[in-house]
Amino acid sequence: GAGVSQSPSNKVTEKGKDVELRCDPISGHTALYWYRQRLGQGLEFLIYFQGNSAPDKSGLPSDRFSAERTGESVSTLTIQRTQQEDSAVYLCASRRTGTSGVDEQFFGPGTRLTVL
Amino acid sequence: AQSVSQHNHHVILSEAASLELGCNYSYGGTVNLFWYVQYPGQHLQLLLKYFSGDPLVKGIKGFEAEFIKSKFSFNLRKPSVQWSDTAEYFCAVNPASGTYKYIFGTGTRLKVLA
Repeated sequence: GAGVSQSPSNKVTEKGKDVELRCDPISGHTALYWYRQRLGQGLEFLIYFQGNSAPDKSGLPSDRFSAERTGESVSTLTIQRTQQEDSAVYLCASRRTGTSGVDEQFFGPGTRLTVL
Repeated sequence: AQSVSQHNHHVILSEAASLELGCNYSYGGTVNLFWYVQYPGQHLQLLLKYFSGDPLVKGIKGFEAEFIKSKFSFNLRKPSVQWSDTAEYFCAVNPASGTYKYIFGTGTRLKVLA
């Protein structure tokens, strides 16, 4: 596809359930980011993947959060035992390269997660 | 810690009014600067970016931003807004020292009244 895609677009779940969010980056983009956007707040960095390098997981808020990426393609963000404070929009972005700031990030439409 | 401040959280303007949205950052080194826009129901997209050279950069849809290094600012401007500019605007900073981290501001919601 031409852009970054994410699925599902909306997810409503009950507290304590696990959820899996998916991101398909732009083909050929080596860098991939996950962000969390809570209502009225800015984008909060969660995790960064660059090629086959070890990901930067420094932004993951707790050990309930994990993410994987298969090579330079699809990434999944998993939240285990969801809590109400996990409710947010989860955004994925990809970038052509990982080392140069010249390349911009391209964002997906996000997944709106609501934990009841 | 590095941070980006967008002091205007909500702005309401009439069509044809001039716009200036503030963005200040805290980082002492060289930076790459971005403004992203999110129109209602759409995903974030790049409005403009600054890496080097002329500190006045022009973006899409008549927007421009000026990098003032001494003030650590990168304010967004448009001389005459349109109803279609109603959106949320985010300023972002990327330290140019090879890091991949982007620091985003909290965003400014702009509403333009027809």
